[in-house]
Amino acid sequence: EDQVTQSPEALRLQEGESSSLNCSYTVSGLRGLFWYRQDPGKGPEFLFTLYSAGEEKEKERLKATLTKKESFLHITAPKPEDSATYLCAVHPDRGGGNKLTFGTGTQLKVEL
Amino acid sequence: NAGVTQTPKFQVLKTGQSMTLQCAQDMNHNSMYWYRQDPGMGLRLIYYSASEGTTDKGEVPNGYNVSRLNKREFSLRLESAAPSQTSVYFCASGQTRITDTQYFGPGTRLTVL
Repeated sequence: EDQVTQSPEALRLQEGESSSLNCSYTVSGLRGLFWYRQDPGKGPEFLFTLYSAGEEKEKERLKATLTKKESFLHITAPKPEDSATYLCAVHPDRGGGNKLTFGTGTQLKVEL
Repeated sequence: NAGVTQTPKFQVLKTGQSMTLQCAQDMNHNSMYWYRQDPGMGLRLIYYSASEGTTDKGEVPNGYNVSRLNKREFSLRLESAAPSQTSVYFCASGQTRITDTQYFGPGTRLTVL
């Protein structure tokens, strides 16, 4: 069974205090790993797709990396507007359809 | 482009009532999805449609039906609502390539009393 575990469940940072969020996954094969950001009361907003171990992608203060068992979302010098829940999802390499398995998310709060 | 739109935004039902959640996308995507999000459970797939005219069950299909009306629209129906269906429902769309990105709508918050 495919599994995605995100840690920590919640993280509180001071503005400018860099940190990383973790997404551990267990799948028979990986077609892709996705990171989304979700603000309260809103739908998930796409951030990154990673396809193979060693791949990295960056967007402003965020950088996503991928290994064979986990992905990290690094946040450099965060600002209060980075406060949100960050979701990780995997697309297993089996069967038909484009069905994603999601983790339960990391709730990030960045304080002044 | 509006992206993915959902109606209604909020709904309160009594047990046993029925309703249809509407979803439309203007990105010319082939695939559409319905998820539910519950605290501590993450997003779970209810049904999806890989292309116009096809639908398939996801992880939690019981108690729901779907209709892919055309390429743009994908509706989710609750025939006899139960309190366990209280949740936030999200529609998403994407292209059907080997790995495509799914884009989400703003959600419908449903309470069943």
